Amino acid sequence: QKEVEQDPGPLSVPEGAIVSLNCTYSNSAFQYFMWYRQYSRKGPELLMYTYSSGNKEDGRFTAQVDKSSKYISLFIRDSQPSDSATYLCATPRDFGTGTSLTVIP
Amino acid sequence: DSGVTQTPKHLITATGQRVTLRCSPRSGDLSVYWYQQSLDQGLQFLIQYYNGEERAKGNILERFSAQQFPDLHSELNLSSLELGDSALYFCASSVGGQGYEQYFGPGTRLTVT
Repeated sequence: QKEVEQDPGPLSVPEGAIVSLNCTYSNSAFQYFMWYRQYSRKGPELLMYTYSSGNKEDGRFTAQVDKSSKYISLFIRDSQPSDSATYLCATPRDFGTGTSLTVIP
Repeated sequence: DSGVTQTPKHLITATGQRVTLRCSPRSGDLSVYWYQQSLDQGLQFLIQYYNGEERAKGNILERFSAQQFPDLHSELNLSSLELGDSALYFCASSVGGQGYEQYFGPGTRLTVT
């Protein structure tokens, strides 16, 4: 049974758009939440992790956790064609199925 | 480059055979994780080792086994291979055992014919 559920998309946006990627999780005991980026079957790359609730920002990326609704979000500002990839939300040891994102120049 | 290395990059073998996949973690990392990624299943956690000891177990089949050696490299053994075992196998490592900052290797692509 998956602990993290993610809309697989695909999602297609124009360059410069704000992208919102979302997941839900089942276990309220989870404290750490991660976002990974994966390019065409390469090894996933850690973008950021958050602890408990709140926001964390790193450049154009913002991760948000709402523990009351068990909702995890990743926002990408000023999206670039190089952001085209599959984005995976995760708790330690369980990954969402990934959302495929294409940013159109 | 994450600093995690995996060998071999590609492996083609026949049903019923046994293979060994190898992973070297980043320098200083004590935990190693193994994952299987197939087209229809996404990234599935198999097993975690921390400083030589098994820490957590996921959906690992009985035909699969793993170990972490004193130098912290890890091996994943897959036996009695079936067509359905064809997948990408990733190794990841982290400093601690909690799993929130994992760095992935490039993967081993296994094809069972």
